[in-house]
Amino acid sequence: GAVVSQHPSRVICKSGTSVKIECRSLDFQATTMFWYRQFPKQSLMLMATSNEGSKATYEQGVEKDKFLINHASLTLSTLTVTSAHPEDSSFYICSADPLGQGQETQYFGPGTRLLVL
Amino acid sequence: LAKTTQPISMDSYEGQEVNITCSHNNIATNDYITWYQQFPSQGPRFIIQGYKTKVTNEVASLFIPADRKSSTLSLPRVSLSDTAVYYCLVFYNQGGKLIFGQGTELSVKP
Repeated sequence: GAVVSQHPSRVICKSGTSVKIECRSLDFQATTMFWYRQFPKQSLMLMATSNEGSKATYEQGVEKDKFLINHASLTLSTLTVTSAHPEDSSFYICSADPLGQGQETQYFGPGTRLLVL
Repeated sequence: LAKTTQPISMDSYEGQEVNITCSHNNIATNDYITWYQQFPSQGPRFIIQGYKTKVTNEVASLFIPADRKSSTLSLPRVSLSDTAVYYCLVFYNQGGKLIFGQGTELSVKP
């Protein structure tokens, strides 16, 4: 149980285009999901908290207009990288915790590798 | 916010017990300690979680002293497949966030 999926697993796009990444909780519902970014040989960096039915909250230094987050249902959150540039190339990971369970245990998706040319 | 500190890397050999210690001096009363494992190009995988004393599951043990300012993840009889990065996290009950530290890169050799 507690499986989180991401789609796509990897994507290559041209500079200036937008890319949407989906995060789904397959066997549980989640009112909150988290988005992380990870550069090679570095730790995960929390980007934002995705809240079902309300606006996402972004960490300091993360541009909310560039990284659009939508949490339209209890099983789906999307991250859209708008006008992507090569410096946005990274590994994007989402996490979620089952509704009613404490947020201290997060289940992570497999990640999405984004390469911007 | 409590910050976690771990060794950057560790080496071990197959069959040995590996202990990775994490310090979290400013842990708050209601914070939990959680360890994750991450392989390259994969999302982190939950290993074990604890609040105090000792917790054991089928893959690891977690030792937490009374003052809770540190914790030790113990992996019994590691194999080559345990080569990964291990992260110690403290959940910030007030902030509701999992903040990742630098992690410990464990290398298991034959």
